[in-house]
Amino acid sequence: ETGVTQSPTHLIKTRGQQVTLRCSSQSGHNTVSWYQQALGQGPQFIFQYYREEENGRGNFPPRFSGLQFPNYSSELNVNALELDDSALYLCASNDGGPKHEQYFGPGTRLTVT
Amino acid sequence: GNSVTQMEGPVTLSEEAFLTINCTYTATGYPSLFWYVQYPGEGLQLLLKATKADDKGSNKGFEATYRKETTSFHLEKGSVQVSDSAVYFCALGLRMDSSYKLIFGSGTRLLVRP
Repeated sequence: ETGVTQSPTHLIKTRGQQVTLRCSSQSGHNTVSWYQQALGQGPQFIFQYYREEENGRGNFPPRFSGLQFPNYSSELNVNALELDDSALYLCASNDGGPKHEQYFGPGTRLTVT
Repeated sequence: GNSVTQMEGPVTLSEEAFLTINCTYTATGYPSLFWYVQYPGEGLQLLLKATKADDKGSNKGFEATYRKETTSFHLEKGSVQVSDSAVYFCALGLRMDSSYKLIFGSGTRLLVRP
């Protein structure tokens, strides 16, 4: 069984640029959630996708957007990058069932300069 | 609102010492409670969970009991090992609108010395 994978591992962007992060969910999982973890903090919920539709969103501006594909993989897009967007971005998948156990990928470390 | 408060770290212990990491929560509704662990340079791993009051979650020698009367979910282990050194996150899980989201505490770093 393949776990959650994310790419790239690290990247560095300049303020004002746009970035796309990618996530492949665990086999059999149809729900993907994205979290932002600032240095020294707990993860913060960005949004969740279920069967290609966004079905929940945290307190993040519209410049954070996403997609989910028919194979349940997902992308997180961030436009007009700001310095405060520097963080570890975590993707988590689950099977949408009642156990609500979310399985996290290793994350993408984004640095905005 | 919904929130999780954890004791601040770092917590430094000698090998084989007893561990307690305190976690309290505020929530509307009936959340599930989770402990996740994050090793250096890695993502989060689910350590244990409890879905209703008085449930005890346990895994790898760690355990935590869902205490509704004190809104707490403290993590304990009887004898820690050097390999337990990591950051531990307490989280509550809630269904909101159509989604299920986790709300995390700020994490507690544990350092176990040989």
